[in-house]
Amino acid sequence: GQQVMQIPQYQHVQEGEDFTTYCNSSTTLSNIQWYKQRPGGHPVFLIQLVKSGEVKKQKRLTFQFGEAKKNSSLHITATQTTDVGTYFCAGTMDTGRRALTFGSGTRLQVQP
Amino acid sequence: GAGVSQSPSNKVTEKGKDVELRCDPISGHTALYWYRQSLGQGLEFLIYFQGNSAPDKSGLPSDRFSAERTGGSVSTLTIQRTQQEDSAVYLCASSPQSKGIEQYFGPGTRLTVT
Repeated sequence: GQQVMQIPQYQHVQEGEDFTTYCNSSTTLSNIQWYKQRPGGHPVFLIQLVKSGEVKKQKRLTFQFGEAKKNSSLHITATQTTDVGTYFCAGTMDTGRRALTFGSGTRLQVQP
Repeated sequence: GAGVSQSPSNKVTEKGKDVELRCDPISGHTALYWYRQSLGQGLEFLIYFQGNSAPDKSGLPSDRFSAERTGGSVSTLTIQRTQQEDSAVYLCASSPQSKGIEQYFGPGTRLTVT
């Protein structure tokens, strides 16, 4: 079936280190979204990428959408303790009715 | 404005009992989704409603699970004859339309089956 995979499942970094999570789809995506879920909270929308090769930045966060529109990445520069949480990518498949297929998520732990 | 609300926030039930979980989406949002999230896991898609179209039920894990959406607004997820493996957080999300639009999540209902 159509799947969206994320790696790594878990990453533990020292505060100030960089962090990257990668998202790969088995099929071409018309767009990809990223969500953040704080511990005990619910997913909150961060950003959406639509164009092939698109790069967007939000302060220390950089989001990329691959040229083939089958993969994406989220990079955090100089992590802070407020970055702790699980980051999910979610893609809209070109085919099918369902709006979003969520990746398995990457849980980030930042040690002060 | 008001976000997506879910009730109850917590539900403890005995194995074999039926439960109903409620979702109130953001007013005017035509798309509504139910997900299940087990502890420390990702989001498992359950069911998707879009306007008056037939719902996408492809994620429901068994025939014990059902959902309805009345009047294009409030939705109820029903789990019959609950099992311990049904214990999870059930998240509802809504969006203004179907594809390509961010989803707004509710706080979830934590279901514990004893």
